Amino acid sequence: DVVMTQSPLSLPVTVGQPASISCRSSQGLVHSDGNTYFNWLQQRPGQSPRRLIYKVSNRDSGVPDRFSGSGSGTDFTLKISRVEAEDVGVYYCMQGTHWPHTFGQGTKLEIK
Amino acid sequence: EVQLVESGGGLVQPGGSLRLSCAASGFTFSNYWMSWVRQAPGKGPECVANIKEDGSQTYYVDSVKGRFIISRDNAKNSLYLQMNSLRAEDTALYYCGRAGLGVWGQGTTVTVSS
Repeated sequence: DVVMTQSPLSLPVTVGQPASISCRSSQGLVHSDGNTYFNWLQQRPGQSPRRLIYKVSNRDSGVPDRFSGSGSGTDFTLKISRVEAEDVGVYYCMQGTHWPHTFGQGTKLEIK
Repeated sequence: EVQLVESGGGLVQPGGSLRLSCAASGFTFSNYWMSWVRQAPGKGPECVANIKEDGSQTYYVDSVKGRFIISRDNAKNSLYLQMNSLRAEDTALYYCGRAGLGVWGQGTTVTVSS
């Protein structure tokens, strides 16, 4: 199985400051169809996960533009340009290229 | 509004069975791969099973192979997960998700305990 390794696992951030989460996959994530099925998801306390970014860098509908995704090969990054209080939660990277689709351990973002 | 609503969870004894359902609305269900994803208490999500748009291909994580069956009824816009020989480690919140997990339901809780 593809192992997804996130860092850091805990991320205390001051409101208005930037934040960054890294994710490394144990294998390349380019599918045979040429797409890279790599997503970032947010799970707020008590809620279902919500996809923020799909195929590395595409924001889902309704996702604020302070969230951005980048990367290629086996290294990917989620950046939040200015953290807001509503961003508190756990962030997961996820690959959908190889079955079974797998998730990172999660990064818990909290407000300082 | 695009929506997924799961049902069918509950408390079951080890070795027992449950059938989960997911009702889809707001999109053309038959055009999408669908998934079951579970999340054990305090843990991250785990993809359990996937099914192709027409049901002709299914995939399972190793830990549920031979025990769980994913199926769908496109006429009823519904996804199912038949869970047999349940174990304590199957205890989790079970979500259905649309292809790529861009849409999630609210989940249904499965507890396996004597």
